[in-house]
Amino acid sequence: GNSVTQMEGPVTLSEEAFLTINCTYTATGYPSLFWYVQYPGEGLQLLLKATKADDKGSNKGFEATYRKETTSFHLEKGSVQVSDSAVYFCALSSSSGGSYIPTFGRGTSLIVHP
Amino acid sequence: NAGVTQTPKFQVLKTGQSMTLQCAQDMNHNSMYWYRQDPGMGLRLIYYSASEGTTDKGEVPNGYNVSRLNKREFSLRLESAAPSQTSVYFCASLEELYNSPLHFGNGTRLTVT
Repeated sequence: GNSVTQMEGPVTLSEEAFLTINCTYTATGYPSLFWYVQYPGEGLQLLLKATKADDKGSNKGFEATYRKETTSFHLEKGSVQVSDSAVYFCALSSSSGGSYIPTFGRGTSLIVHP
Repeated sequence: NAGVTQTPKFQVLKTGQSMTLQCAQDMNHNSMYWYRQDPGMGLRLIYYSASEGTTDKGEVPNGYNVSRLNKREFSLRLESAAPSQTSVYFCASLEELYNSPLHFGNGTRLTVT
């Protein structure tokens, strides 16, 4: 079946540091890939997505590139801010028998200090 | 546009009590999902509904039942709550396009004592 593996946290950085959160996946066919962000006390919300190989998703300074050859979708940001402190989830979505079953990684907590 | 609305936000139950978590979406989505979130475990799918009138088990369905009342509403019922069901529960909906993201509610934090 499908699976998503992302690096364990927490990841602790100083403001303006470079961020990478690794994500790899296993899936049949050609899934769509997503990064979601969860702020304290809230539900998950879409951060960015990519739908085919070599696509780059980007939003709010975050980027991730769909790498089919390495089955990866690593999240990066050049300069993090305190407001980026949250939990980040990598996910994929594929169709199975007419239903869409999203699969999530376990989440990576990011803590950014001033 | 309210999106996905979950009620209640917080609930405390005693072991053996029952309750229903409510979820409604106003985006005319066909697919709806219930997840639970536990520390270190990420999101685990409990049940999902691909369309009105259909429901299917996810990864962790034991101890739960669901009802897809209509296209808007998808409820989750705990018939006899257990401490292992202490968790944060999220409802989500999906527009059925291959590249569409899930839309989540803000969650229900349930404690079973």
